[in-house]
Amino acid sequence: EPEVTQTPSHQVTQMGQEVILRCVPISNHLYFYWYRQILGQKVEFLVSFYNNEISEKSEIFDDQFSVERPDGSNFTLKIRSTKLEDSAMYFCASGGNTEAFFGQGTRLTVV
Amino acid sequence: RKEVEQDPGPFNVPEGATVAFNCTYSNSASQSFFWYRQDCRKEPKLLMSVYSSGNEDGRFTAQLNRASQYISLLIRDSKLSDSATYLCLWRSFQKLVFGTGTRLLVSP
Repeated sequence: EPEVTQTPSHQVTQMGQEVILRCVPISNHLYFYWYRQILGQKVEFLVSFYNNEISEKSEIFDDQFSVERPDGSNFTLKIRSTKLEDSAMYFCASGGNTEAFFGQGTRLTVV
Repeated sequence: RKEVEQDPGPFNVPEGATVAFNCTYSNSASQSFFWYRQDCRKEPKLLMSVYSSGNEDGRFTAQLNRASQYISLLIRDSKLSDSATYLCLWRSFQKLVFGTGTRLLVSP
């Protein structure tokens, strides 16, 4: 089965620091997404990306967040100045024309 | 009204029971629907697609009712390993929208 890969699996960072979460989507997919899940809560949509630009973003995805597809394979989520409340699992997903698959997630802990 | 609504449960059932979950959606333009399973601290994993004609995969049956705007998942002969959170999802290309998830606990 095709796989979405995320690195790192766990990142601990100090409040105010920048973090970059990385994702390698499935190679022939065109739609890419970032989600987050705070422990015990629902999976929340952050942003979708298609044709090298953001196609939709949620109210959570403020100016602290950015996404990039720097080299045609990686898809990154950058948080510029992390806050304690950014601590969560961050999931990347990639979608073809029908189904979407999720990576195993990056657990971000902001201390 | 929330885009996707699910009963959060938990549903506590004995092994061998049949259990059904429903999920309602508000966007009539929703393109496609899926059920995902999420184990604790893991990523959502695709369980099955949902079609108006129904979709069956072993003990699992999914159904879409566009007129009433809901999807359902039926699990027959529940196993201990079915214990998880089941998430419905509708998809437009711009967005994947999850329900809150329904927690299922299957006990011996």
